[in-house]
Amino acid sequence: NAGVMQNPRHLVRRRGQEARLRCSPMKGHSHVYWYRQLPEEGLKFMVYLQKENIIDESGMPKERFSAEFPKEGPSILRIQQVVRGDSAAYFCASSPNRAGGYTFGSGTRLTVV
Amino acid sequence: AQTVTQSQPEMSVQEAETVTLSCTYDTSESNYYLFWYKQPPSRQMILVIRQEAYKQQNATENRFSVNFQKAAKSFSLKISDSQLGDTAMYFCAFMKTARGSGAGSYQLTFGKGTKLSVIP
Repeated sequence: NAGVMQNPRHLVRRRGQEARLRCSPMKGHSHVYWYRQLPEEGLKFMVYLQKENIIDESGMPKERFSAEFPKEGPSILRIQQVVRGDSAAYFCASSPNRAGGYTFGSGTRLTVV
Repeated sequence: AQTVTQSQPEMSVQEAETVTLSCTYDTSESNYYLFWYKQPPSRQMILVIRQEAYKQQNATENRFSVNFQKAAKSFSLKISDSQLGDTAMYFCAFMKTARGSGAGSYQLTFGKGTKLSVIP
């Protein structure tokens, strides 16, 4: 039973390009969460999705960021027109329900040059 | 809104010794979970231990145990018989339960972490 799979592990983008981060939840998990970790910081909540629905995006920046979790395939976090401040580790987590705790992936480290 | 404070940015401990990491939190909720996560250099977030607020008994997982003081809003992690593999960042985190009030009852709120080094 594979864990939460995130790819790519490392992603380098030039300023102004788009970044697409992928997350495949654990088998049987229909709840996906995205978190961002800036250097020397803890993780900060970005968005919570269930299949085909965004439940809470209160942690997402208002512009350039979007997330989806289609009926088939992985969840995608998309960052358009990346800037240096977007450089961070982005973590995905999944759970079978909302009750207390979930499993994290290994994260994608985005570097904007 | 909830806040989680870890007042020790860095700590070190000799191999085989015991170390305690501090965490305090602020919330008006009565039903919630508390967690300790470990993040080694591989960057993987690994759940170490979990505590339900309604349980008075402190959670224990092998060499890891917590001291949960609900009235004081304190949740410290004790690592016994420290091993080199315990070297990592440790994050304390808070989550409202699904029975808690409304929105955000699935979000983890993290502290800034404590960097623990185990010295041979």
